[in-house]
Amino acid sequence: DADVTQTPRNRITKTGKRIMLECSQTKGHDRMYWYRQDPGLGLRLIYYSFDVKDINKGEISDGYSVSRQAQAKFSLSLESAIPNQTALYFCATSDFTGEGYTFGSGTRLTVV
Amino acid sequence: KNQVEQSPQSLIILEGKNCTLQCNYTVSPFSNLRWYKQDTGRGPVSLTIMTFSENTKSNRRYTATLDADTKQSSLHITASQLSDSASYICVVRDDSWGKLQFGAGTQVVVTP
Repeated sequence: DADVTQTPRNRITKTGKRIMLECSQTKGHDRMYWYRQDPGLGLRLIYYSFDVKDINKGEISDGYSVSRQAQAKFSLSLESAIPNQTALYFCATSDFTGEGYTFGSGTRLTVV
Repeated sequence: KNQVEQSPQSLIILEGKNCTLQCNYTVSPFSNLRWYKQDTGRGPVSLTIMTFSENTKSNRRYTATLDADTKQSSLHITASQLSDSASYICVVRDDSWGKLQFGAGTQVVVTP
């Protein structure tokens, strides 16, 4: 089984719909992250969490929200999806020092 | 402006040949520099991690160099194989809380 599992792998949704992307990890890491990848751009940080009670905005958090349900679970929600949120989304984890970064396989989201 | 710039954007090489990818960064303070390999449809996987005191690090046919004075790094691929076809991403860790700054990647295509 993968260390960092993202579901779904692919999703097509309509504008205005609410959608949740889920991430679970078996690394035992405290820190979890959500990134977005667009063609020609580097990965950009949406939200990050250093532990279950800690949630922080990244550089592009507008239009997104997150929930850290447990140490192993970190979900990303789009409350009202819009077409420019079409992208590849990655969940990642790291240890408490910020090292040992491990990425999930990604969720390809298309908003039509 | 992206603090991590990579060149070239893409390149095509013949199987068995060598190639070198470049990374220039302006991130400061600097903790470490990483090179990741990202296969199509997959999450990035770490190839090397170097601190400011390290000049070179190898991982099988991948050799990374770092010049912290000029803020430049390179990734050299030796005797390329078809499986080397991927995007190679330069990532710099900010020393403040460990935030990662991602380059846009170099897309490498190895042809028979």
